[in-house]
Amino acid sequence: AQSVSQHNHHVILSEAASLELGCNYSYGGTVNLFWYVQYPGQHLQLLLKYFSGDPLVKGIKGFEAEFIKSKFSFNLRKPSVQWSDTAEYFCAVTSNQAGTALIFGKGTTLSVSS
Amino acid sequence: DTAVSQTPKYLVTQMGNDKSIKCEQNLGHDTMYWYKQDSKKFLKIMFSYNNKELIINETVPNRFSPKSPDKAHLNLHINSLELGDSAVYFCASSHRDSHTEAFFGQGTRLTVV
Repeated sequence: AQSVSQHNHHVILSEAASLELGCNYSYGGTVNLFWYVQYPGQHLQLLLKYFSGDPLVKGIKGFEAEFIKSKFSFNLRKPSVQWSDTAEYFCAVTSNQAGTALIFGKGTTLSVSS
Repeated sequence: DTAVSQTPKYLVTQMGNDKSIKCEQNLGHDTMYWYKQDSKKFLKIMFSYNNKELIINETVPNRFSPKSPDKAHLNLHINSLELGDSAVYFCASSHRDSHTEAFFGQGTRLTVV
């Protein structure tokens, strides 16, 4: 069965600091990988996704993630965070089979102080 | 212009009651989902429908029954509500093609008292 592990439960940063959130998945086949963000009181929004091709993917709001197949990882990065990045971040995976649902990690709470 | 809309946004009810949450998407997607987000923010898939056909049914109590009258709608009916059912329920939709992301509704915060 697929599973997703997010190592950081709560990350606290000052504005302009760099961010890296870890994500590892467990699945033997081909996967699709996602990072979603949930701002306080809001629904989940897609930050970025990886299906195939260039393992370094760029998303919205200056976020990027790198897929490292050998490490089963898909870490999220941002060079300089802003106060408005305060949110819950979820890594998710689906298998390459049609119709499979997203399996989420437990989420990382990011708090950015101004 | 809302892509995935859920109603109601908030639902407070007593134990033992039966309640429904409705979801509609106008994205032309053929697959819809219900996710439960618990108090620790963990998101877990409950059900998935493709063109009105149930394709995913995770270990969920029988008190939860999804219904999809057409591919744009997926409702969730919950019988005999329990305190442990308190959570935020998110509806989502996507194309069945695996190379696509899911779009989420605003969520329904259910509180059972």
